[in-house]
Amino acid sequence: KAGVTQTPRYLIKTRGQQVTLSCSPISGHRSVSWYQQTPGQGLQFLFEYFSETQRNKGNFPGRFSGRQFSNSRSEMNVSTLELGDSALYLCASSLDRAVYEQFFGPGTRLTVL
Amino acid sequence: AQKVTQAQTEISVVEKEDVTLDCVYETRDTTYYLFWYKQPPSGELVFLIRRNSFDEQNEISGRYSWNFQKSTSSFNFTITASQVVDSAVYFCALSEPTGANNLFFGTGTRLTVIP
Repeated sequence: KAGVTQTPRYLIKTRGQQVTLSCSPISGHRSVSWYQQTPGQGLQFLFEYFSETQRNKGNFPGRFSGRQFSNSRSEMNVSTLELGDSALYLCASSLDRAVYEQFFGPGTRLTVL
Repeated sequence: AQKVTQAQTEISVVEKEDVTLDCVYETRDTTYYLFWYKQPPSGELVFLIRRNSFDEQNEISGRYSWNFQKSTSSFNFTITASQVVDSAVYFCALSEPTGANNLFFGTGTRLTVIP
């Protein structure tokens, strides 16, 4: 069974640009969550999508958005990039709620210059 | 509010030594889930264990064991006979009360196993 895949693996952008990251969950998983990992703030929850609906949202500004498609693949978008958005963005998939384990992808390393 | 504390920032052990990683959590809820994840240098978080708040039985999986004590709000992780491949950052995490997939992570413990 293929694991969670994330593309691209690395991205370099400049301030003010926008970026879209993609996540393909494990086949059959309907929940996709996104996390941001930085040295200063650690791992922080961004949002979760389930059956194409945002089910939960962390404490991030509106510049961070996401969506989920009918095949459960998810994208997250960051607009008007800031230097502080440089981070490892991790996607996790699970069958449903936390009664099931979350499986993480390898992440997308975003660098904002 | 949910909170996870991993007081040990970095630990170094010599190969074959046993090591325990501490995790203390805070929650007002009676139903919750606790997790441990391993993050090797490649960056991917690897799931190790999930435990719900009603199951206080200790668990052993090979060289790994977990000690869950609700009385002290701790969920500690022990690696027996450590190996170089165990070198990684280990995260303890706590689920939201609703059981949703919003995990609150601790700051992680970097374990280095010296050959």
